[in-house]
Amino acid sequence: KQEVTQIPAALSVPEGENLVLNCSFTDSAIYNLQWFRQDPGKGLTSLLLIQSSQREQTSGRLNASLDKSSGRSTLYIAASQPGDSATYLCAVNWGGGNKLTFGTGTQLKVEL
Amino acid sequence: DGGITQSPKYLFRKEGQNVTLSCEQNLNHDAMYWYRQDPGQGLRLIYYSQIVNDFQKGDIAEGYSVSREKKESFPLTVTSAQKNPTAFYLCASSGDRGIRGANVLTFGAGSRLTVL
Repeated sequence: KQEVTQIPAALSVPEGENLVLNCSFTDSAIYNLQWFRQDPGKGLTSLLLIQSSQREQTSGRLNASLDKSSGRSTLYIAASQPGDSATYLCAVNWGGGNKLTFGTGTQLKVEL
Repeated sequence: DGGITQSPKYLFRKEGQNVTLSCEQNLNHDAMYWYRQDPGQGLRLIYYSQIVNDFQKGDIAEGYSVSREKKESFPLTVTSAQKNPTAFYLCASSGDRGIRGANVLTFGAGSRLTVL
């Protein structure tokens, strides 16, 4: 069964800290993987998309890496800020057609 | 501004009633999707449509129905057959038909349905 797992479910860090969020998936034959941000009661905002042929993508303070052989992706957030507080979701596209399988997310809180 | 509009934002329904959630996009996207989100769970795909007048069941389609009569619109009806309809519903669209290397999904703000 194709599954996506995100650990930990929640994370609290002080402002300014660099941090890593983890995503693991069971089948390495992916088309692409996306990281999303969700604020409470809101929709999702796409942060980064990594194609299966890529190893990483960067956007500002965010860097996402992909290791298909180990079934892992990480989202690195540099110099965290309180505004980064949100739930971060990882989603894998295995079958094309943009049918994404989502992880349960990591709820991040960045404290002053 | 281009985007996806979902309405209503909050909806209350009595057991046994059907309810329709609206999703409209002005992004000229071909593909549209409906997801359900429950506390502590990831998003699960209900239905998706890659082109007008065509749609396919996702992983949890039972108790739901959709239509795609216009490119801009993809309404979701939660029927009385859905046993546990209380959830947060999210609509999304993408700029292509999901060909390998597909575009990023754009999400609406969501509709929260509560069954009383």
